[in-house]
Amino acid sequence: GAGVSQSPSNKVTEKGKDVELRCDPISGHTALYWYRQSLGQGLEFLIYFQGNSAPDKSGLPSDRFSAERTGGSVSTLTIQRTQQEDSAVYLCASSLLGVTTYNEQFFGPGTRLTVL
Amino acid sequence: DQQVKQNSPSLSVQEGRISILNCDYTNSMFDYFLWYKKYPAEGPTFLISISSIKDKNEDGRFTVFLNKSAKHLSLHIVPSQPGDSAVYFCAAISSNTGKLIFGQGTTLQVKP
Repeated sequence: GAGVSQSPSNKVTEKGKDVELRCDPISGHTALYWYRQSLGQGLEFLIYFQGNSAPDKSGLPSDRFSAERTGGSVSTLTIQRTQQEDSAVYLCASSLLGVTTYNEQFFGPGTRLTVL
Repeated sequence: DQQVKQNSPSLSVQEGRISILNCDYTNSMFDYFLWYKKYPAEGPTFLISISSIKDKNEDGRFTVFLNKSAKHLSLHIVPSQPGDSAVYFCAAISSNTGKLIFGQGTTLQVKP
């Protein structure tokens, strides 16, 4: 079956513009996660969804970042007024069960965001 | 505050030899530890995991060891193959938070 997909695969934008990154999780997966990997850094947790709700938004770097998930499926990560330090690979993952039990997270290929 | 650390950014080994990748953590609440493998332009893929109640888990050429007293885990790959060349991320999770905390990654190069 299809894995986690993300779009676009690459996004180049100018400083100050808004961007939207999309994630399509594996069908039936209840939990969805957003991470980012900046150059030379590990994967940084941003936010997760249990169904359509996000119980923990503490990983979002600033109030310019927001995310939503609709219908328990597709999620969108929005970055407003992008800054150069937002340049990174943004990864989405999904898991079958909720986060109260460990279960494997399956990752998408990521969106490489470059802010000029 | 880096809760999961991989202090070696890179490792190079000869094909057929053992690769040992190390990881240290600080949070005693972690109850699962995982290794992910990542090729360029792809997302990480799950490799092997270990529960905090165990000290060893083996899957084919891959073995993960956990030393809770030292808050240290390692991944052994033997024999190493050129196709194992990738970035390896150590990760830890506490089931009461659900957050998967990753290390910085170690780039493994296996030379033919």
